[in-house]
Amino acid sequence: DAGVTQSPTHLIKTRGQQVTLRCSPKSGHDTVSWYQQALGQGPQFIFQYYEEEERQRGNFPDRFSGHQFPNYSSELNVNALLLGDSALYLCASSVLNSPLHFGNGTRLTVT
Amino acid sequence: GENVEQHPSTLSVQEGDSAVIKCTYSDSASNYFPWYKQELGKGPQLIIDIRSNVGEKKDQRIAVTLNKTAKHFSLHITETQPEDSAVYFCAASRGPGSARQLTFGSGTQLTVLP
Repeated sequence: DAGVTQSPTHLIKTRGQQVTLRCSPKSGHDTVSWYQQALGQGPQFIFQYYEEEERQRGNFPDRFSGHQFPNYSSELNVNALLLGDSALYLCASSVLNSPLHFGNGTRLTVT
Repeated sequence: GENVEQHPSTLSVQEGDSAVIKCTYSDSASNYFPWYKQELGKGPQLIIDIRSNVGEKKDQRIAVTLNKTAKHFSLHITETQPEDSAVYFCAASRGPGSARQLTFGSGTQLTVLP
């Protein structure tokens, strides 16, 4: 049973560019959440998708947007990249009362 | 919003000793408290969680205690082993089921010395 898978594993972008990160949830899960983890810190909630709609959003600017597809997979898009966007981006999936299951993340470096 | 503070930031113990990590939260409406273990290059992995209607939960060498009045919860690892070395995060959230938005602590780097 595959867990949460994320792609790519690493990514290097230039300031001002746009990036798309992808996530496939654990089998049977229908809810996808995205978190940003800066180096040496705990993950911070970006937003959550359920039934293809954004259900909750953390304190992140509109440059961060997402999408959920009918097969429950999800994308995170970040526009106009800043150096401060460099971080590990984690996707987590869940269903009903289950705990969050995290993927191994995408390491984004903005130069 | 919720704020979670975690202590200590680093912890070194001898193999076989116990380790304790403590967290406090600010939102009295929080009702779910998971603990995650993160190894280098990997995502956080759930090791134990507790809901607000329970004061203590144990799973083999790992236990979590919750004091709702004081708004703090702790992770206890007994008989530590070198493979327990990792960063541990506490988290808190409110709301039902998969609607939960987790607020994480800043993490504890646990090193178990052989």
